Amino acid sequence: EAQVTQNPRYLITVTGKKLTVTCSQNMNHEYMSWYRQDPGLGLRQIYYSMNVEVTDKGDVPEGYKVSRKEKRNFPLILESPSPNQTSLYFCASSFHRGDTEAFFGQGTRLTVV
Amino acid sequence: KQEVTQIPAALSVPEGENLVLNCSFTDSAIYNLQWFRQDPGKGLTSLLLIQSSQREQTSGRLNASLDKSSGRSTLYIAASQPGDSATYLCAVRPRSGSARQLTFGSGTQLTVLP
Repeated sequence: EAQVTQNPRYLITVTGKKLTVTCSQNMNHEYMSWYRQDPGLGLRQIYYSMNVEVTDKGDVPEGYKVSRKEKRNFPLILESPSPNQTSLYFCASSFHRGDTEAFFGQGTRLTVV
Repeated sequence: KQEVTQIPAALSVPEGENLVLNCSFTDSAIYNLQWFRQDPGKGLTSLLLIQSSQREQTSGRLNASLDKSSGRSTLYIAASQPGDSATYLCAVRPRSGSARQLTFGSGTQLTVLP
C-alpha cells in the first residue's frame, strides 16, 4: 500500500530536549516536505527536499532541521524544542513534477511543555 | 503571493442533503488543485486532484470542479451522510517557484446531522 508513515503519532516533551520525528514514504517520490498546522494559521511549510541531499527552507523553518540521506526518509529534527513549536506536524511526498498528487502522513501531535 | 479562501468556515446539514463547499484562490498560475478531508486530530486524506487543464473530477458521491480563470473550485457532496462529517481542505500547487509547496485554505468544518 502506498503510504507516508510518520512516527511518533503523539509526543509530549520538555523544553530544550532534542527530538526527531521520522517520515518515510514507499512510493519512490523525489519531493518530500514538512508542514505544521495551527489553529487560525492553517498549514504552513517548514522545510522541503527536492531529492537526496537537497533541502531548502519553507515559510517557517526557524527552530527546525531536516536531512535527506535516503530517498525514502525525511526526518524533522527539533534541536531545542520550545512551547511555540507545539503543533500538529505533517510530512508529505510527491513526484517532483508539479502536476502530481501529494500524499500526507497521519500527522504527529507534538506538545512541548 | 497565493492566497486560498474557503467559504463557509463551518456548515451543518441534515443527513441526505446535497451540499457545496467553495474554494477560491488569487493566482491562477497553478499546476493543480487538491481537495483533502481531515478528521479531528488526524491526517489528511486526499479526495480529488484536478489538473489545471481539467474542469472536474468525480469520485463516488464527490464531484470537484475547477474554473482556473476565475480562481474558483467547488466540492459537491451528494446525499450527505454522518460519516462525511470532517474538515475539508483545498490546496493549490503553484507553477512559480521551486518549493512546490501547496497553499492551503483554512478549511470548511462540515457536520452532517443524523
